[in-house]
Amino acid sequence: SYVLTQPPSVSVAPGKTATVTCEGHTVGRTTVHWYQQKPGQAPLLVIFDDSDRPSGIAERFSGSNSGDMATLTISRVEAGDEADYYCQVWDSDTDHYVFGTGTKVTVL
Amino acid sequence: EVQLVESGGGLVRPGGSLSLSCVISGFSVSDNYVSWVRQAPGKGLEWVSMIYSGGTSLYADSVKGRFTISKDNSKNTVYLDVYSLKPEDTAVYYCASHYCSRGICFFDDWGQGALVAVSS
Repeated sequence: SYVLTQPPSVSVAPGKTATVTCEGHTVGRTTVHWYQQKPGQAPLLVIFDDSDRPSGIAERFSGSNSGDMATLTISRVEAGDEADYYCQVWDSDTDHYVFGTGTKVTVL
Repeated sequence: EVQLVESGGGLVRPGGSLSLSCVISGFSVSDNYVSWVRQAPGKGLEWVSMIYSGGTSLYADSVKGRFTISKDNSKNTVYLDVYSLKPEDTAVYYCASHYCSRGICFFDDWGQGALVAVSS
């Protein structure tokens, strides 16, 4: 089955840039979506189609996808960005949706 | 406004069964795809099952043969019947709607989740 690997944790100071990676075999050939999940809440879509933002999501959130790595970048990090972040793809070989292992972003 | 409201969670013994419901407003399940996604305590997200607008269904390998997804278009409700439950099925179960464009789908609206706890 297809595996998406994320770093367990990323720490960043307020105002700095957080980078969350999502590694998968030739993930650049598919389309990646990103979700933010705060404690006790349902996930929230923050990036779709590799780099598009839903309405209401701050421009500070951006994404890219190439080769074996997709990346979520959070610029000018704020305390409210502290959350778990998950990447997600559709695996057409198995007809399964696959989530990444998840990354906890901590704002110092 | 789209709303998804899950119900039916609870405590069940290993080997037992349960039926989860997801009542939806704001869009029609006859025209859209809906999935169940679960999250074990302190763990990540795991896709469980999906039902297409036409009624065809897909399942994760971990639940295939034990879980059944279905829907009632007249009630705009999606169900997940879970059988032969194992302790590792303990999780919050979310229902989520799909947005699809050009063959690419993602989960755009989520319910608040229903807790299923499997323990003796």
